[in-house]
Amino acid sequence: RKEVEQDPGPFNVPEGATVAFNCTYSNSASQSFFWYRQDCRKEPKLLMSVYSSGNEDGRFTAQLNRASQYISLLIRDSKLSDSATYLCVVNLNAGNMLTFGGGTRLMVKP
Amino acid sequence: DAGVIQSPRHEVTEMGQEVTLRCKPISGHNSLFWYRQTMMRGLELLIYFNNNVPIDDSGMPEDRFSAKMPNASFSTLKIQPSEPRDSAVYFCASSLWTVDTEAFFGQGTRLTVV
Repeated sequence: RKEVEQDPGPFNVPEGATVAFNCTYSNSASQSFFWYRQDCRKEPKLLMSVYSSGNEDGRFTAQLNRASQYISLLIRDSKLSDSATYLCVVNLNAGNMLTFGGGTRLMVKP
Repeated sequence: DAGVIQSPRHEVTEMGQEVTLRCKPISGHNSLFWYRQTMMRGLELLIYFNNNVPIDDSGMPEDRFSAKMPNASFSTLKIQPSEPRDSAVYFCASSLWTVDTEAFFGQGTRLTVV
């Protein structure tokens, strides 16, 4: 079993739609959680951190459920520019060793 | 700051040849990571350094792979001899050694071994 698992998609949605991605992680001792975004043929970049209380950044909302060991990302009013691969990322130790999920591909269409 | 700088951006080499990938982390960052990305396996952590010291190299696929960090501003990943299955995008990333900070990635080196 992979340490961080995601549905690879693709998720094909129309502009303006709301879309949600989930991610599960296997190590209950994981300490911090993130969503990264990766555009085609580019490097991954931090989208947002995920906090236990849930957090929002504009159209993006991230939530963490430690009991069930899953993380979610909700995108509201999706834009064409949101088309990318979204990577769920978990930090397993006290340093900053990040473990990436396989990514979920999102395609937003006009 | 110019960000994490990797070179070369693209490398095409013949099977059996030695390949050296280079990385300059962001100044002030004390952690450096090498990742490999393929369609089949996604992003895999190969090795990471803290204060120039290798902390975990369990992700290095085999002895053909080696990595060094002689100082805080430079790291190399070497493959010798290279094989076609090593073809992938290799990313270097740097960050501060704390639990909740962003890792910044270089633009990657696209390696093709023929």
